[in-house]
Amino acid sequence: DAMVIQNPRYQVTQFGKPVTLSCSQTLNHNVMYWYQQKSSQAPKLLFHYYDKDFNNEADTPDNFQSRRPNTSFCFLDIRSPGLGDAAMYLCATSRAGPRTGELFFGEGSRLTVL
Amino acid sequence: QKEVEQNSGPLSVPEGAIASLNCTYSDRGSQSFFWYRQYSGKSPELIMFIYSNGDKEDGRFTAQLNKASQYVSLLIRDSQPSDSATYLCAVDSGGSNYKLTFGKGTLLTVNP
Repeated sequence: DAMVIQNPRYQVTQFGKPVTLSCSQTLNHNVMYWYQQKSSQAPKLLFHYYDKDFNNEADTPDNFQSRRPNTSFCFLDIRSPGLGDAAMYLCATSRAGPRTGELFFGEGSRLTVL
Repeated sequence: QKEVEQNSGPLSVPEGAIASLNCTYSDRGSQSFFWYRQYSGKSPELIMFIYSNGDKEDGRFTAQLNKASQYVSLLIRDSQPSDSATYLCAVDSGGSNYKLTFGKGTLLTVNP
């Protein structure tokens, strides 16, 4: 089945130790997103790619970086995680065009920072 | 700042009843409106979208949109315990539907 796969599902890291989360998709969608969701809060968009065009949200901290080496893969790098970065990180994809807002989410990567 | 507001709940309804979930948004330029369901510890999944004023029905779900009042709602008929989840309203950013703004969600509990 076509899907969005995130790895790892659970990541424990130490304060300041870099982390990379990955996302792959078999849907062949143009647009890929990274959202951060903390407990009982709305998903917050960090950045998105339209094909190779990278779009960073104005309030996304510099500590967060992303790479999209090809259509299928996208990575989220957290260079120096702080306690406040503990959250669920959600990768999502969508088709470009009129139905772009119909997002397909991966199962998420839950990050714990010790 | 663009905002999407939802009553956080919890909204508790008995099995078989109609659950009514509401959402208001601040950006008058928004064109696309979505309801996502999120079970505890899981990722959101799209259940309804609506682009035009009025009602849109899909099975037990009805989405209602009133752009003049900047209001969108979701009705769930014949509620089932399996409908117990957080329902997230999402709205595009001023006509750019590459970017969605999500509300915090309403927690719905359906009691058997």
